[in-house]
Amino acid sequence: GENVEQHPSTLSVQEGDSAVIKCTYSDSASNYFPWYKQELGKRPQLIIDIRSNVGEKKDQRIAVTLNKTAKHFSLHITETQPEDSAVYFCAASSRGSYIPTFGRGTSLIVHP
Amino acid sequence: KAGVTQTPRYLIKTRGQQVTLSCSPISGHRSVSWYQQTPGQGLQFLFEYFSETQRNKGNFPGRFSGRQFSNSRSEMNVSTLELGDSALYLCASSLFSGSPGEQFFGPGTRLTVL
Repeated sequence: GENVEQHPSTLSVQEGDSAVIKCTYSDSASNYFPWYKQELGKRPQLIIDIRSNVGEKKDQRIAVTLNKTAKHFSLHITETQPEDSAVYFCAASSRGSYIPTFGRGTSLIVHP
Repeated sequence: KAGVTQTPRYLIKTRGQQVTLSCSPISGHRSVSWYQQTPGQGLQFLFEYFSETQRNKGNFPGRFSGRQFSNSRSEMNVSTLELGDSALYLCASSLFSGSPGEQFFGPGTRLTVL
């Protein structure tokens, strides 16, 4: 089955810096890659997603890049703010199985 | 439009008991997926229901089961509870099944097994 590795497990940055979280996947049939943000005590919420026919997608301060050949995708957050502090999860799923596999999560801490 | 709701929000049980959790999806969503979230294992997929049929199943023992009703509401049951079943159980709804797309998560049910 699919295996998703996510790094780093913890990321500490200063306000205004950029943050990058990386994920690799194993199943070349995976074609949908969402990123979820989970604040402490709250539910995961989709912040951005990308499909395999696109290499990059941006939404304000957040961007996701996908390298299908290398089977990895990354979340980029620019100009980080304290409210960006949360756990971020990547996931991969395919049209064939649909079962989404999540990474273990990255705890992002943005220091004011 | 109301979001995904889950009841109860918190539950304390003892080993050997069974528990039933409930999830109401967003109106119009027909797919409901269940996940177990623990600090050690992260988010793990349990199963997905669409139109009252289980479409996909994760790698969990048969003690974990579920069902979906005609109004798309779903229930998850865990029998013979073990200490390791303590976790946050999340459900997520989406419009379709079989085509990956955005899932909307509920607030979760925090289950503690003593």
